[in-house]
Amino acid sequence: DTGVSQNPRHKITKRGQNVTFRCDPISEHNRLYWYRQTLGQGPEFLTYFQNEAQLEKSRLLSDRFSAERPKGSFSTLEIQRTEQGDSAMYLCASSFLSVVGSYEQYFGPGTRLTVT
Amino acid sequence: ELKVEQNPLFLSMQEGKNYTIYCNYSTTSDRLYWYRQDPGKSLESLFVLLSNGAVKQEGRLMASLDTKARLSTLHITAAVHDLSATYFCAVAPFNTGTASKLTFGTGTRLQVTL
Repeated sequence: DTGVSQNPRHKITKRGQNVTFRCDPISEHNRLYWYRQTLGQGPEFLTYFQNEAQLEKSRLLSDRFSAERPKGSFSTLEIQRTEQGDSAMYLCASSFLSVVGSYEQYFGPGTRLTVT
Repeated sequence: ELKVEQNPLFLSMQEGKNYTIYCNYSTTSDRLYWYRQDPGKSLESLFVLLSNGAVKQEGRLMASLDTKARLSTLHITAAVHDLSATYFCAVAPFNTGTASKLTFGTGTRLQVTL
């Protein structure tokens, strides 16, 4: 399968615990994005990388959130000291940066986080 | 701050009918995307609109972009049950030169009844 993959698909955790999600982008894509989607809403941007560099972070990304993309391949999103408000679907997307093109973002299946 | 609004938020329509979903955005943009999302699933790309006047069609769906009016439409022709899903438009900031974050609308939940 050559699409964007995310693991785990579901995560249930207790408040105060740390969680980490992984995203594997489409192999030739150099940009990787993280979004968060709550029930009944559209996805909200969290952060994105070009290769291994994190280029932008949303103000939604509090100090408890950290994202990395070592070596410009897969990415991880860690949430420390989870809160119930962190319960959401976390979506990863990737795109290919080129001189010309649509920069279309392809989304993974998401990781659904439930904080109890 | 870029804001994206969709109308309607919920649409119930009978099979065979036509309808249009509207997407308005608040600041200049030259790149607009339409996505489909089935319940509990991720987003599937439908259309990419890159210039004023752009029109794209796939099956019973047709999308258009008017950058001067800051408006995109998704027209559904002769709806079928399989089109039932939530549809999102998403806008990228103007002339960023490169791909960047998308701002999504609130989505339109489409229900096609038999």
